[in-house]
Amino acid sequence: GAGVSQSPRYKVAKRGQDVALRCDPISGHVSLFWYQQALGQGPEFLTYFQNEAQLDKSGLPSDRFFAERPEGSVSTLKIQRTQQEDSAVYLCASSPLARSSTDTQYFGPGTRLTVL
Amino acid sequence: DAKTTQPTSMDCAEGRAANLPCNHSTISGNEYVYWYRQIHSQGPQYIIHGLKNNETNEMASLIITEDRKSSTLILPHATLRDTAVYYCIVSSMFSGGYNKLIFGAGTRLAVHP
Repeated sequence: GAGVSQSPRYKVAKRGQDVALRCDPISGHVSLFWYQQALGQGPEFLTYFQNEAQLDKSGLPSDRFFAERPEGSVSTLKIQRTQQEDSAVYLCASSPLARSSTDTQYFGPGTRLTVL
Repeated sequence: DAKTTQPTSMDCAEGRAANLPCNHSTISGNEYVYWYRQIHSQGPQYIIHGLKNNETNEMASLIITEDRKSSTLILPHATLRDTAVYYCIVSSMFSGGYNKLIFGAGTRLAVHP
Protein backbone atom coordinates (compact mmCIF):
# COMPACT_ATOMS: atom_id res chain seq x y z
CA GLY A 1 0.00 0.00 0.00
CA ALA A 2 0.97 3.63 -0.28
CA GLY A 3 3.22 5.01 2.40
CA VAL A 4 3.58 8.55 3.68
CA SER A 5 4.23 10.97 0.86
CA GLN A 6 5.63 14.48 1.02
CA SER A 7 5.83 17.25 -1.52
CA PRO A 8 7.81 18.88 -2.82
CA ARG A 9 10.83 16.66 -2.28
CA TYR A 10 13.15 19.65 -2.72
CA LYS A 11 12.47 23.32 -2.20
CA VAL A 12 14.79 26.26 -2.68
CA ALA A 13 13.64 29.56 -1.23
CA LYS A 14 15.15 33.00 -1.02
CA ARG A 15 15.51 34.41 2.45
CA GLY A 16 12.27 36.09 3.45
CA GLN A 17 9.99 33.98 1.26
CA ASP A 18 7.13 31.92 2.65
CA VAL A 19 7.05 28.17 1.98
CA ALA A 20 4.43 25.44 2.39
CA LEU A 21 5.34 21.79 2.77
CA ARG A 22 2.73 19.09 2.31
CA CYS A 23 2.34 15.71 3.97
CA ASP A 24 -0.04 12.96 2.88
CA PRO A 25 -0.17 10.40 5.70
CA ILE A 26 -1.16 6.77 5.35
CA SER A 27 -4.95 6.60 4.93
CA GLY A 28 -6.76 6.23 8.22
CA HIS A 29 -3.82 7.13 10.43
CA VAL A 30 -4.92 9.16 13.42
CA SER A 31 -1.57 10.56 14.48
CA LEU A 32 0.66 12.85 12.43
CA PHE A 33 4.06 14.22 13.41
CA TRP A 34 6.43 16.75 11.89
CA TYR A 35 10.18 16.60 12.52
CA GLN A 36 13.07 18.80 11.44
CA GLN A 37 16.44 17.26 10.60
CA ALA A 38 19.49 19.46 10.23
CA LEU A 39 22.45 18.16 8.26
CA GLY A 40 24.31 15.44 10.15
CA GLN A 41 21.90 15.35 13.06
CA GLY A 42 18.97 13.23 14.14
CA PRO A 43 15.39 14.39 13.55
CA GLU A 44 13.90 16.80 16.07
CA PHE A 45 10.23 16.87 16.98
CA LEU A 46 8.26 19.90 15.83
CA THR A 47 4.57 19.23 16.31
CA TYR A 48 1.89 16.55 16.69
CA PHE A 49 -1.69 16.19 15.44
CA GLN A 50 -4.32 13.75 16.59
CA ASN A 51 -6.87 13.86 13.78
CA GLU A 52 -7.36 17.59 13.19
CA ALA A 53 -6.35 18.67 16.69
CA GLN A 54 -2.83 20.00 17.20
CA LEU A 55 -2.03 18.62 20.62
CA ASP A 56 1.64 19.48 20.86
CA LYS A 57 3.52 22.29 19.17
CA SER A 58 6.30 22.50 21.71
CA GLY A 59 9.02 21.88 19.14
CA LEU A 60 8.16 24.66 16.71
CA PRO A 61 11.24 26.92 16.79
CA SER A 62 9.46 30.24 16.33
CA ASP A 63 6.14 31.82 15.51
CA ARG A 64 7.19 31.80 11.87
CA PHE A 65 6.38 28.09 11.85
CA PHE A 66 2.75 27.07 11.53
CA ALA A 67 1.18 23.67 10.90
CA GLU A 68 -2.36 22.61 10.15
CA ARG A 69 -4.37 19.48 9.43
CA PRO A 70 -7.87 20.83 8.89
CA GLU A 71 -9.68 17.64 7.88
CA GLY A 72 -7.61 15.20 9.87
CA SER A 73 -5.73 13.80 6.90
CA VAL A 74 -3.36 15.95 4.79
CA SER A 75 -1.13 18.31 6.76
CA THR A 76 0.76 21.42 5.74
CA LEU A 77 3.77 22.91 7.48
CA LYS A 78 4.17 26.57 6.65
CA ILE A 79 7.26 28.65 7.30
CA GLN A 80 6.96 32.38 6.96
CA ARG A 81 9.81 34.76 6.18
CA THR A 82 12.31 31.92 5.82
CA GLN A 83 15.79 32.31 7.29
CA GLN A 84 18.98 30.46 6.41
CA GLU A 85 18.82 28.52 9.69
CA ASP A 86 15.53 27.00 8.49
CA SER A 87 17.48 24.98 5.92
CA ALA A 88 16.89 21.34 6.82
CA VAL A 89 14.98 18.21 5.87
CA TYR A 90 11.40 18.30 7.12
CA LEU A 91 10.03 14.87 7.86
CA CYS A 92 6.43 13.85 8.32
CA ALA A 93 5.37 10.66 10.10
CA SER A 94 2.00 9.06 10.75
CA SER A 95 0.82 6.27 13.00
CA PRO A 96 -2.44 4.38 13.09
CA LEU A 97 -3.58 4.58 16.68
CA ALA A 98 -3.77 7.24 19.29
CA ARG A 99 -3.29 6.33 22.92
CA SER A 100 -0.88 3.52 22.30
CA SER A 101 2.56 3.53 23.83
CA THR A 102 3.83 1.22 21.14
CA ASP A 103 2.56 3.02 18.06
CA THR A 104 4.98 2.61 15.18
CA GLN A 105 5.60 5.82 13.27
CA TYR A 106 5.87 5.59 9.50
CA PHE A 107 8.01 8.30 7.98
CA GLY A 108 7.84 9.98 4.62
CA PRO A 109 10.94 10.70 2.50
CA GLY A 110 11.12 14.29 3.69
CA THR A 111 11.31 17.67 2.01
CA ARG A 112 14.77 19.19 1.75
CA LEU A 113 14.46 22.94 2.20
CA THR A 114 17.37 25.16 1.22
CA VAL A 115 17.14 28.86 2.06
CA LEU A 116 19.54 31.06 0.14
CA ASP B 1 17.84 15.78 25.14
CA ALA B 2 18.15 12.18 24.01
CA LYS B 3 18.21 9.70 26.86
CA THR B 4 20.50 7.24 25.08
CA THR B 5 24.19 6.88 24.33
CA GLN B 6 25.39 5.10 21.19
CA PRO B 7 28.76 4.74 19.47
CA THR B 8 29.22 7.22 16.67
CA SER B 9 30.11 4.64 14.06
CA MET B 10 30.62 0.92 13.52
CA ASP B 11 31.79 -1.36 10.73
CA CYS B 12 30.55 -4.82 9.85
CA ALA B 13 31.48 -7.34 7.19
CA GLU B 14 28.71 -8.45 4.87
CA GLY B 15 27.11 -11.69 6.04
CA ARG B 16 28.26 -11.28 9.61
CA ALA B 17 26.11 -10.27 12.56
CA ALA B 18 26.02 -6.57 13.41
CA ASN B 19 25.63 -5.87 17.13
CA LEU B 20 24.72 -2.27 17.89
CA PRO B 21 24.87 -1.27 21.58
CA CYS B 22 22.85 1.39 23.34
CA ASN B 23 23.04 2.71 26.89
CA HIS B 24 19.91 4.08 28.53
CA SER B 25 20.80 4.11 32.20
CA THR B 26 18.05 6.58 33.17
CA ILE B 27 15.20 4.64 31.57
CA SER B 28 12.01 4.63 33.62
CA GLY B 29 9.64 1.74 34.17
CA ASN B 30 7.07 2.71 31.55
CA GLU B 31 9.52 3.61 28.80
CA TYR B 32 10.02 1.39 25.80
CA VAL B 33 13.22 0.98 23.81
CA TYR B 34 12.74 1.66 20.09
CA TRP B 35 15.14 1.22 17.20
CA TYR B 36 14.79 3.08 13.92
CA ARG B 37 17.23 3.33 11.05
CA GLN B 38 17.71 5.92 8.36
CA ILE B 39 19.19 5.03 5.02
CA HIS B 40 20.76 7.91 3.14
CA SER B 41 18.20 10.37 1.72
CA GLN B 42 15.25 8.46 3.15
CA GLY B 43 13.02 8.94 6.18
CA PRO B 44 13.61 6.85 9.32
CA GLN B 45 12.31 3.29 9.25
CA TYR B 46 11.01 1.41 12.27
CA ILE B 47 12.94 -1.74 13.14
CA ILE B 48 11.84 -3.10 16.50
CA HIS B 49 10.86 -2.14 20.04
CA GLY B 50 10.71 -3.74 23.48
CA LEU B 51 9.94 -3.11 27.13
CA LYS B 52 11.92 -5.68 29.09
CA ASN B 53 11.79 -8.97 27.23
CA ASN B 54 13.97 -9.80 24.28
CA GLU B 55 12.21 -9.35 20.97
CA THR B 56 12.74 -10.72 17.47
CA ASN B 57 11.13 -9.93 14.14
CA GLU B 58 11.98 -10.44 10.50
CA MET B 59 14.45 -7.58 10.54
CA ALA B 60 16.36 -7.89 13.79
CA SER B 61 16.60 -9.02 17.40
CA LEU B 62 16.56 -6.75 20.44
CA ILE B 63 18.32 -7.85 23.61
CA ILE B 64 17.54 -5.78 26.72
CA THR B 65 19.57 -6.30 29.89
CA GLU B 66 17.75 -7.38 33.02
CA ASP B 67 18.24 -3.98 34.67
CA ARG B 68 17.04 -2.34 31.40
CA LYS B 69 19.95 0.08 31.45
CA SER B 70 21.27 -1.06 28.10
CA SER B 71 20.26 -2.94 24.99
CA THR B 72 21.73 -4.39 21.81
CA LEU B 73 20.22 -4.48 18.36
CA ILE B 74 21.33 -7.50 16.38
CA LEU B 75 21.19 -7.74 12.60
CA PRO B 76 21.95 -11.45 12.19
CA HIS B 77 23.30 -11.41 8.63
CA ALA B 78 24.17 -7.88 7.60
CA THR B 79 23.94 -6.92 3.94
CA LEU B 80 25.17 -3.85 2.09
CA ARG B 81 21.59 -2.52 2.20
CA ASP B 82 21.82 -2.39 5.99
CA THR B 83 24.29 0.50 5.77
CA ALA B 84 22.46 3.30 7.58
CA VAL B 85 22.29 5.42 10.73
CA TYR B 86 20.68 3.45 13.55
CA TYR B 87 18.82 5.31 16.28
CA CYS B 88 18.10 3.91 19.73
CA ILE B 89 15.24 5.80 21.40
CA VAL B 90 13.52 5.45 24.75
CA SER B 91 10.01 6.77 24.88
CA SER B 92 6.71 6.52 26.64
CA MET B 93 3.25 7.75 25.90
CA PHE B 94 2.55 11.39 26.66
CA SER B 95 -0.55 12.39 28.52
CA GLY B 96 -2.26 13.32 25.26
CA GLY B 97 -2.03 9.72 24.11
CA TYR B 98 0.89 9.94 21.70
CA ASN B 99 4.48 8.80 21.52
CA LYS B 100 7.04 11.54 20.84
CA LEU B 101 10.36 10.22 19.56
CA ILE B 102 13.49 12.02 20.77
CA PHE B 103 16.32 11.12 18.40
CA GLY B 104 19.99 11.34 19.29
CA ALA B 105 22.86 11.29 16.82
CA GLY B 106 22.64 7.52 16.28
CA THR B 107 25.26 5.02 15.15
CA ARG B 108 26.45 5.12 11.57
CA LEU B 109 26.79 1.47 10.51
CA ALA B 110 28.87 0.72 7.44
CA VAL B 111 28.56 -2.79 6.00
CA HIS B 112 31.42 -3.65 3.69
CA PRO B 113 31.98 -6.53 1.26
